[in-house]
Amino acid sequence: DIQMTQSPSSLSASVRDRVTITCRASQNIKKYLNWYQQKPGKAPRLLIYAASSLQSGVPSRFSGSGSGTDFTLTISSLQPEDFATYYCQQSYSDSITFGQGTRLEIE
Amino acid sequence: QVQLMQSGAEVIKPGASVKVSCRASGYTFTEYYIHWVRQAPGQGLEWMGWANPNTGSTNYAQKFQGRVTMTRDTSITTAYMDLSGLRSDDTAVYYCARDFPGPYGRGMDVWGQGTTVTVSS
Repeated sequence: DIQMTQSPSSLSASVRDRVTITCRASQNIKKYLNWYQQKPGKAPRLLIYAASSLQSGVPSRFSGSGSGTDFTLTISSLQPEDFATYYCQQSYSDSITFGQGTRLEIE
Repeated sequence: QVQLMQSGAEVIKPGASVKVSCRASGYTFTEYYIHWVRQAPGQGLEWMGWANPNTGSTNYAQKFQGRVTMTRDTSITTAYMDLSGLRSDDTAVYYCARDFPGPYGRGMDVWGQGTTVTVSS
């Protein structure tokens, strides 16, 4: 299976901060990379697909970049509702895998 | 609106099986694969597999092969996930999710509310 490694595992930040989360794949996955947000007790929400495309309805402060093995999710100006856990997910292989998650907390 | 509605929480004895249902509404059921993803308490997301509601074909994660069966009933637009040989480490929230066939592979754009499965004697 393709391993997805996120960093950091947790992050403290303040409202209006710019935050970047990194996801690294164990092999080249081109742009077969999606990002999700999950709040406690809720199902995940698709934010970014194909590494850099914003899902419909997602605020433009979220952006994604990267290809190959290294990817980033950036939140340009944190809002109170953005404090959550974020996961990357690859679908390059038939066996889909997720990163371990990055927990974004209020500083 | 597009929705996936899952069955209620289950408490299952070790060694037994559980069958979780996922009823789709608001879209053409046979046009999108259904994924199953689980999340153990305090842990991350784990993909279990997908099923094609149109053909019935499936693709299971190797970890679950031999223990999981994903089926569907198109007449009632419902997908099912059956997991057998349950152990305590199968205790988790189980989600169904609609496939998002993007330009680069598969994502999951609509999720059910989750079904808590607790394995306990």
